[in-house]
Amino acid sequence: DIVMTQSPDSLAVSLGERATINCKSSQSVLYSNNKNYLAWYQQKPGQPPNLLIYWASTRESGVPDRFSGSGSGTDFTLTISSLQAEDVAVYYCQQYYTTPITFGQGTRLEIK
Amino acid sequence: QVQLQESGPGLVKPSQTLSLTCTVSGGSISSGSHYWSWIRQPAGKGLEWIGRINTSGSTNYNPSLKSRVTISLDTSKNQFSLKLSSVTAADTAVYYCGNFGVGVWGKGTTVTVSS
Repeated sequence: DIVMTQSPDSLAVSLGERATINCKSSQSVLYSNNKNYLAWYQQKPGQPPNLLIYWASTRESGVPDRFSGSGSGTDFTLTISSLQAEDVAVYYCQQYYTTPITFGQGTRLEIK
Repeated sequence: QVQLQESGPGLVKPSQTLSLTCTVSGGSISSGSHYWSWIRQPAGKGLEWIGRINTSGSTNYNPSLKSRVTISLDTSKNQFSLKLSSVTAADTAVYYCGNFGVGVWGKGTTVTVSS
């Protein structure tokens, strides 16, 4: 199985400041088509996860442009450029390079 | 746009089989080369992928659950289903159906395993 490890486990950031969440995979999720099979999700309490980013850096339609994804191979980053109150949530990375599909353990983002 | 809705019993007795159905609306379950997945999340914990089925009926399961899981497709009803046998309290969770390819998840249904 590909193990996805996120850091930190929790993060407190002031409103308007930048938030950065890291995700490391135990093996590369870069396929021969030059696509990284890596997605980011946001989950708020009582709701299903909401897709933010796929192919490591492609923003899903309707997702604010303050959310961005970067990285390749085994190391990835989700950045929120200017934290808003509605961004308080748990964030998960996911690899879909191979089965079993696996998720990171989650990063809880709070307001400082 | 495609929407998903889970349904099934909220309470299952230990050693019995958990059965859930996901109904797809706003599109055909058999169009395109889609994979339809089941995922679960114990209260306060992370996400675990259970398995998936594609539009041809081919399945992939999480090895940690493979011996107990069956996922099937009913194109006539635009549904796919999950069966998890020999359940224990450790199977208590919110169960989601989803299609990662189009970024759609159901709202989830809580299943409790208890006598």
